[in-house]
Amino acid sequence: DGGITQSPKYLFRKEGQNVTLSCEQNLNHDAMYWYRQDPGQGLRLIYYSQIVNDFQKGDIAEGYSVSREKKESFPLTVTSAQKNPTAFYLCASSRDNNYGYTFGSGTRLTVV
Amino acid sequence: DAKTTQPTSMDCAEGRAANLPCNHSTISGNEYVYWYRQIHSQGPQYIIHGLKNNETNEMASLIITEDRKSSTLILPHATLRDTAVYYCIVGSNTGNQFYFGTGTSLTVIP
Repeated sequence: DGGITQSPKYLFRKEGQNVTLSCEQNLNHDAMYWYRQDPGQGLRLIYYSQIVNDFQKGDIAEGYSVSREKKESFPLTVTSAQKNPTAFYLCASSRDNNYGYTFGSGTRLTVV
Repeated sequence: DAKTTQPTSMDCAEGRAANLPCNHSTISGNEYVYWYRQIHSQGPQYIIHGLKNNETNEMASLIITEDRKSSTLILPHATLRDTAVYYCIVGSNTGNQFYFGTGTSLTVIP
C-alpha cells in the first residue's frame, strides 16, 4: 500500500533539546510539506519542498529546519530556538495540486 | 492571508444533508477549490476539488457558484462518522502550498 508515514506518533522531549520528526512517503510524490497545528487552530505551514535538494520556508519556519536528500523523505528538526514547540505536526505530500495532498497521521510533540 | 471564509461551526441531524458553505471572493481564474476534513487528532483527508463545474464523488458533492466567489460542500446523508473539521482551500493546480484556515467544525447529531 502506498502512503505517507510519520513517526513516532507521540514524542516527549526536554526543553532545550533538538528533536527530529520523520516523514516518509512511497507515493512517488515530488512535493512534501510540514504543518503545525495547535489546539483548536488550523494548520500553519512550516516548510515545503517541491523537489529533492530544494525547500522553502513557510509562514512559521523560525526554530525549525528540514532536509530533502531523498524524494521519499522530508525530516523536520525542531530546534531549541523554537520557543513553543509543543504541538501536533503533520507531514503531507502531493504529486501536483490536481490530486490534492496526502497527509500522514501526525506526530504529537510535547516538550517538558 | 485568509483566502476563504467559513462558519466556525455547524450542526446537522444524522441522515440529513450537510451543506457547508465557503466564501472565496478573491479566487483567481486558475485557482481550484479544495475541500479536506480532519477527524480529531488525525491528518486531514482529501474530499473533493473543482474549478468551475460542479463535482461529485463517492464522498460528497461540490457546488461552485457561477461567479466562483463561493461554494458549498454537500454531504448527502450525514452520519456520525462525518463529525469533523472541514477545510475549504483555494489554490492553483500548478502552484505551491495550500493555506489551511480554521475550517468549519461539523457535528452530526443522532
